[in-house]
Formats: sequence, structure tokens, C-alpha cells
Amino acid sequence: EVQLLESGGGLVQPGGSLRLSCAASGFAFSSYAMSWVRQAPGKGLEWVSGISGSGGTTYYADYVKGRFTISRDHSENTLYLQMNSLRAEDTAVYYCVKARKGEVITFSFDWWGQGTLVTVSS
Amino acid sequence: DIQMTQSPSSLSASVGDRVTITCQATQDISNYLNWFQQKPGKAPKLLIYDASNLETGVPSRFSGGGSGTDFTFTISSLQPEDIATYYCQQYDGLPITFGQGTRLEIK
Repeated sequence: EVQLLESGGGLVQPGGSLRLSCAASGFAFSSYAMSWVRQAPGKGLEWVSGISGSGGTTYYADYVKGRFTISRDHSENTLYLQMNSLRAEDTAVYYCVKARKGEVITFSFDWWGQGTLVTVSS
Repeated sequence: DIQMTQSPSSLSASVGDRVTITCQATQDISNYLNWFQQKPGKAPKLLIYDASNLETGVPSRFSGGGSGTDFTFTISSLQPEDIATYYCQQYDGLPITFGQGTRLEIK
């Protein structure tokens, strides 16, 4: 069974940094594009960033471009999100999300992790 | 960016009712649309992919339709466990975008 387990969330001051991790299992990790999607408290879903299966191509929403970096480690089957210059509006639950099809770059999602909460506040 | 407009934003219905939610895209997205269910405190769960295909293990009372810019999501007979917020998601172009959600309540 597919499992996605996020970690690394917490309280950070504005301007600070945080690195999220997502440990993946139950599927051929390197064959699937992955994404991070966030949800501010009481709000809807917002795509943040995506990465191809190989890790060679990355994609970002405009509101995080230049501040966040997505990466993946195939030896550890882990997805990462390095978040720098954090702002109050980045406060959200961050979900690690798997693409539904492998071997292609698609952001049709199927499995989601349980999420990790990032709170940006002084 | 492709904007996704979902309606209604909230809905109250009785057990056994037929419930329909719509999602409209600002441009043609073919059938590149998913529907998710999110219960409070939980991660979203995929119900429908490619606009009309039922995900494995999802009850057949859930269905989806449409193509191009106009899509529908239907629960044929509402059950108490269907209380949740439902989101559409387009994956035709970046950035990936979601509808604003439809909160479904039992009357």
C-alpha cells in the first residue's frame, strides 16, 4: 500500500527557514512525479510545487518561486521541500502528493500524506 | 492561470438525496479533472479521475461527468458518511488549480 509520511513542520519566525520531508513507500518512487500542496487553516487547497520522477524538472507556483526548492532522493525514497524567507501567509498544512500515473510528468494526483503543519509567526 | 469555479460553496441535503456539484474552468481543460473528498482533519481522497472515472474502491453512488469547461460531480443517494468538503482539481496546465470547495452537510 502507498504510504506518504511528512515531517519537518513546526513554528518558525517570519524570514526563517524550514525543510519538509516526505518518506514514500509502497510504489516505485522514482517513476512518479510528486508535488507539495498546502492548505491554510480553514481554507482550500493550493498547489505549491512539483517535481518529475527523475528529479530533473521542477515546477513552482509564483507565490513561492525563488523562496522554496523541491527535491527528491531516490536512495532514500524521500521528497523534500526547502522553504526559505517564510512569510505569515505560508502558514498551512503541507501535503506530499503522488501523481496517479508513472513514467510521465502528470499532476493528476491520487495519494496524499497526512500533512505537516507549518506556522510562521513571531 | 486556469481558474476553477465550484458551486455551490455549501450544500445541505437529506440522507438519500441526489446531490450535484458543478465545476467550471476558465478555459478548455478537456477531461483533465479530478474530484476529491476531504473530511475534517484528514487528507483529501481521490474519488473521480479524468472527469468521469471512478477510483478503485470508491462506492458507485459517486459519479462525475463533463468535458471542456463544464463538469459535474454527483452523489446519487447521500449517505451520512459523505459529509465532507469536495474539491475539483484541474491538471491540464500549470499552475495546478483547485476549486474553492463545496461543504456538504446533512439536513
